[in-house]
Amino acid sequence: QKEVEQDPGPLSVPEGAIVSLNCTYSNSAFQYFMWYRQYSRKGPELLMYTYSSGNKEDGRFTAQVDKSSKYISLFIRDSQPSDSATYLCAMSGGSNYQLIWGAGTKLIIKP
Amino acid sequence: DAGVTQSPTHLIKTRGQHVTLRCSPISGHKSVSWYQQVLGQGPQFIFQYYEKEERGRGNFPDRFSARQFPNYSSELNVNALLLGDSALYLCASSGTGTGDEAFFGQGTRLTVV
Repeated sequence: QKEVEQDPGPLSVPEGAIVSLNCTYSNSAFQYFMWYRQYSRKGPELLMYTYSSGNKEDGRFTAQVDKSSKYISLFIRDSQPSDSATYLCAMSGGSNYQLIWGAGTKLIIKP
Repeated sequence: DAGVTQSPTHLIKTRGQHVTLRCSPISGHKSVSWYQQVLGQGPQFIFQYYEKEERGRGNFPDRFSARQFPNYSSELNVNALLLGDSALYLCASSGTGTGDEAFFGQGTRLTVV
């Protein structure tokens, strides 16, 4: 079993829809959670950073962390075709600080 | 304000050759980490450096080595290249590398033929 599970998709939604992306994890020591957006053949771009449990909002993006369920989510409101990309969750904590990644979800926003 | 810069952006090497990849972190950041990303997968941790000291090493063979310089830039070296080393190599920059935000460069795409 992988430490971080993420549905690879693809997830296809119409423009303007609310998108929900999520990851589950098994290591209870994780306490730093990040969401990245990656366009094809480019480096990951940090979208959201959350420490421990709770919600964080930034523009059209909302990140949620539920440590009791070992479940994190990213919501995108008013989705745009330019949001089409692969979204990766990453997390760290415990005795080392390397990022442990999900496999990424490919998101397609249809005009 | 310059972000994380990596060089070169693309590279083609022959099996058995050696390669050096370079990374300059964001100004003021003291930690650099290296990751390997194979197509369709999430990145895999290779090394982390902080203040020129190796802080962590992933599950990669000894053919992979790295170092960090006094100006906090870093090099990743790979010896005796294999076809399976073909991947996108990513450099992450963070202030301390202890759970703070990590920012990535555009990556170096290495193709081994």
